[in-house]
Amino acid sequence: EAGVAQSPRYKIIEKRQSVAFWCNPISGHATLYWYQQILGQGPKLLIQFQNNGVVDDSQLPKDRFSAERLKGVDSTLKIQPAKLEDSAVYLCASSSGVTQETQYFGPGTRLLVL
Amino acid sequence: DAKTTQPTSMDCAEGRAANLPCNHSTISGNEYVYWYRQIHSQGPQYIIHGLKNNETNEMASLIITEDRKSSTLILPHATLRDTAVYYCIVILTGNQFYFGTGTSLTVIP
Repeated sequence: EAGVAQSPRYKIIEKRQSVAFWCNPISGHATLYWYQQILGQGPKLLIQFQNNGVVDDSQLPKDRFSAERLKGVDSTLKIQPAKLEDSAVYLCASSSGVTQETQYFGPGTRLLVL
Repeated sequence: DAKTTQPTSMDCAEGRAANLPCNHSTISGNEYVYWYRQIHSQGPQYIIHGLKNNETNEMASLIITEDRKSSTLILPHATLRDTAVYYCIVILTGNQFYFGTGTSLTVIP
């Protein structure tokens, strides 16, 4: 079974530029999550989708971050404009359900904002 | 929200058992305890989870106290490849994971 796929693996941009990350979850998984992991910290949930609807986006900085999962499969996370403090690893995870379900993580996208 | 407390770092000799403790004193009766690990530059990897009973799989064993306020992850024969950050997680509402800062385990040759 293929795991969670993410691209790109690495991205370097200058502040105020925009960037987008892509995630393809495990086939059949209804729930998709985006996490932000700053160096030295544990991952922090940004947004959770079930199918193509948002379950929780309370930790998403909506003035600059946006995410979508239009067809209930792949998802994109966008930052516009990027700030220095957005430098982090962005992790995508998926689970089959939405209650007490194991989450499976992708390798992450490492973003450096200069 | 149920949160967890873990030691910041631990060392373990190669071939010996690694015992990683976690306190989750505010856990609710129907909340599972999950353990993940994160090897440098990789995404978190699922290890094991449990509710009340002790659990064992090919990777590790999970011992949960009777009052469920703490648990211990046991790696029976640690290898150098087990060097990683280990996260104890109690699931919040809606399957949301709170990771905390985890325990950095170093396996020493």
